[in-house]
Amino acid sequence: GQQLNQSPQSMFIQEGEDVSMNCTSSSIFNTWLWYKQDPGEGPVLLIALYKAGELTSNGRLTAQFGTTRKDSFLNISASIPSDVGIYFCAGQPPPGNQFYFGTGTSLTVIP
Amino acid sequence: NAGVMQNPRHLVRRRGQEARLRCSPMKGHSHVYWYRQLPEEGLKFMVYLQKENIIDESGMPKERFSAEFPKEGPSILRIQQVVRGDSAAYFCASSQGDNSPLHFGNGTRLTVT
Repeated sequence: GQQLNQSPQSMFIQEGEDVSMNCTSSSIFNTWLWYKQDPGEGPVLLIALYKAGELTSNGRLTAQFGTTRKDSFLNISASIPSDVGIYFCAGQPPPGNQFYFGTGTSLTVIP
Repeated sequence: NAGVMQNPRHLVRRRGQEARLRCSPMKGHSHVYWYRQLPEEGLKFMVYLQKENIIDESGMPKERFSAEFPKEGPSILRIQQVVRGDSAAYFCASSQGDNSPLHFGNGTRLTVT
């Protein structure tokens, strides 16, 4: 299957700091999705991206669909304790069946 | 506000028994995906179904695993003759169509003793 490399693997930051994480693939994708997963729960959709270069915000979260269509970025501004969790990227290659998931970025916010 | 419903939330089976995991998609969604997650790992694609059709089962083991999404009722992931290595969280997601985002249920945590 497709390989999605997500980095960093984990982050420990102070409350109020900004966070950046990214996802890269070896081939082009038509759609990029970003999810957050809390322990014992299912992933929750944060942002969906459909066009190369697209920049989309959801509150303090901003995600971008890379221009090469092989990468995507997620930024969280002014982090708060409830941002703690595991963030996953997911991409859908053409022709558009399954979604492949990254290995996740574990975020810890220190109050 | 019915999201994706999975049951049971926890399932314990002895080696050799059968496990049946159920998933009801969000209202209006006709596409269902099953993923498997081991602790500290990402989600691994298993199978993608539309009503009465398996579209892509490339991630599902050839033996002991099967999935269906009948015209009426929930999608079922069936694991026959379970082994310890089947212990994992199994997540179902649904969507409206090929380019639509996936919405996940809260998973079924299978433990094989």
